[in-house]
Amino acid sequence: RKEVEQDPGPFNVPEGATVAFNCTYSNSASQSFFWYRQDCRKEPKLLMSVYSSGNEDGRFTAQLNRASQYISLLIRDSKLSDSATYLCVASPYNTDKLIFGTGTRLQVFP
Amino acid sequence: DTAVSQTPKYLVTQMGNDKSIKCEQNLGHDTMYWYKQDSKKFLKIMFSYNNKELIINETVPNRFSPKSPDKAHLNLHINSLELGDSAVYFCASSQGLGPPEKLFFGSGTQLSVL
Repeated sequence: RKEVEQDPGPFNVPEGATVAFNCTYSNSASQSFFWYRQDCRKEPKLLMSVYSSGNEDGRFTAQLNRASQYISLLIRDSKLSDSATYLCVASPYNTDKLIFGTGTRLQVFP
Repeated sequence: DTAVSQTPKYLVTQMGNDKSIKCEQNLGHDTMYWYKQDSKKFLKIMFSYNNKELIINETVPNRFSPKSPDKAHLNLHINSLELGDSAVYFCASSQGLGPPEKLFFGSGTQLSVL
């Protein structure tokens, strides 16, 4: 079983739609969580950190459910420019490693 | 100025050759990494260095040898290249030691072994 699992998609949504991705992690000792965004043929870039209390950044909301060991990302009012692959990331306790999921691909169409 | 720069961007080579990828960061970060992203887009850590000292060495064939001459540089040398080494290799850096709050990635080196 992969340490961080995501539905690869693609999720095809129209502009303006709300879309949500989930991600599960297997290591219950994971401490830090992030969402990264990767455009086609580009490097990953940090989208947002995920805090225990949940956090929001504009149209993006991230939530953490430790009991069920999953993380979610909600995108409201999707834009064409949101089209990308979204990578879920977990960091096990007491390591320097970031464990990446294989990503969920989002395609927003006009 | 590019924060994390790696060269070359593309590398096409024959099996059995030896090649190097260079990485430099101008962010003043203490920790640098090499990640490998395979054809299934799985991004996996290979090595990390903090102030020239090896911190993480994942289960990577010893044909891969990282070298950090100073904390701003982390190069990757690969001996006896194999078909399975074909992937995109990303260099990254972060501030401090411990789980990075934010990784800054280079633009990647697409390695194709023929």
